[in-house]
Amino acid sequence: AQKVTQAQTEISVVEKEDVTLDCVYETRDTTYYLFWYKQPPSGELVFLIRRNSFDEQNEISGRYSWNFQKSTSSFNFTITASQVVDSAVYFCALSQFGNQFYFGTGTSLTVIP
Amino acid sequence: NAGVTQTPKFRVLKTGQSMTLLCAQDMNHEYMYWYRQDPGMGLRLIHYSVGEGTTAKGEVPDGYNVSRLKKQNFLLGLESAAPSQTSVYFCASRTASSYEQYFGPGTRLTVT
Repeated sequence: AQKVTQAQTEISVVEKEDVTLDCVYETRDTTYYLFWYKQPPSGELVFLIRRNSFDEQNEISGRYSWNFQKSTSSFNFTITASQVVDSAVYFCALSQFGNQFYFGTGTSLTVIP
Repeated sequence: NAGVTQTPKFRVLKTGQSMTLLCAQDMNHEYMYWYRQDPGMGLRLIHYSVGEGTTAKGEVPDGYNVSRLKKQNFLLGLESAAPSQTSVYFCASRTASSYEQYFGPGTRLTVT
């Protein structure tokens, strides 16, 4: 069975603080893909990153970075120097072959100016 | 390109009524998906399609039917709406080679 757990329901930080969003996944497959999506208050879902199970390299994109650790089945997302525009709900997701996607319950991030 | 569009944006149904949600994409994507989003539940896959004329069940398919008669359209039907189907419905699509899903703006459905 595939499962994604985002234990942090809500997080509040003050602008310019760093924040890490946790994602833990369960799968019996050796090949799988992990994703992060952002859902701002406007409601649309925006793709942020995809990582496959064979690539454990961390990735950095501007203020965003992702830490993928197979040993702990985690794919955490860090925002450095948070900004008010980062306020959104963030979803982690898992898929084996891209047919079915399993989303976590999301973490609502509020950045306070 | 309009991307992924959903019709209607809002709808209120009475219990037992039926309706169809339309998802259209103009990106020539092979894969299409229907999700529902409920508070505290994240997104859950209802049905998906890997190509024109094919559909498959997702995680929560009961009470819904789908059709993909044309590559660009994916229809989600509720034959007899129930209050438990009150939700925000999202459609998504992607190419066969990329796992990145493009989402529509969502449809907010209320069943009273």
